[in-house]
Amino acid sequence: QKEVEQDPGPLSVPEGAIVSLNCTYSNSAFQYFMWYRQYSRKGPELLMYTYSSGNKEDGRFTAQVDKSSKYISLFIRDSQPSDSATYLCAGWDTGFQKLVFGTGTRLLVSP
Amino acid sequence: DTAVSQTPKYLVTQMGNDKSIKCEQNLGHDTMYWYKQDSKKFLKIMFSYNNKELIINETVPNRFSPKSPDKAHLNLHINSLELGDSAVYFCASSQDHGVGQPQHFGDGTRLSIL
Repeated sequence: QKEVEQDPGPLSVPEGAIVSLNCTYSNSAFQYFMWYRQYSRKGPELLMYTYSSGNKEDGRFTAQVDKSSKYISLFIRDSQPSDSATYLCAGWDTGFQKLVFGTGTRLLVSP
Repeated sequence: DTAVSQTPKYLVTQMGNDKSIKCEQNLGHDTMYWYKQDSKKFLKIMFSYNNKELIINETVPNRFSPKSPDKAHLNLHINSLELGDSAVYFCASSQDHGVGQPQHFGDGTRLSIL
């Protein structure tokens, strides 16, 4: 079992929809959480960075962390075709001092 | 201006060969990383260097040897390439090795072993 689990998808939505992407993690040593977006044949690009439980908003993106249930979410409002990509969640393992990634969820937003 | 750049972008070679991948960052960061992304998109850390010193070696075979000539460069040399080495290798950097520092990635080197 991987330390960070994501549904691989693909998740297909129409343009304008609200998208919910989710991650669960098993390691209590994870203290910081990040969402990366990866377009095909490109490197991961940092989208959101959170530490505490609760919500963090940045434009159309909202990251939500619930440490009690070890659950991380990314919400995308008014989704656009340009949001079509793979979304990777990651947790910082404070024990081993490394970033641990999920396998990503592929999102397809159709016009 | 590309913040983290890797060369080459594509590498196709025969089993048993030795090859190198280069990485440079112009962000002024102290810490650099190598990751391997397999065919299922799973991204896993291999090495991290902080100011030219090895911090993490994630049980990677000895055939992989990172080298950091200065804190802006981290190269990866691979000896005796095997079929299982086929993957995308990403270089990344962060401000320092502090807790939870966001990491910035290059666009990867696609390695294919024939």
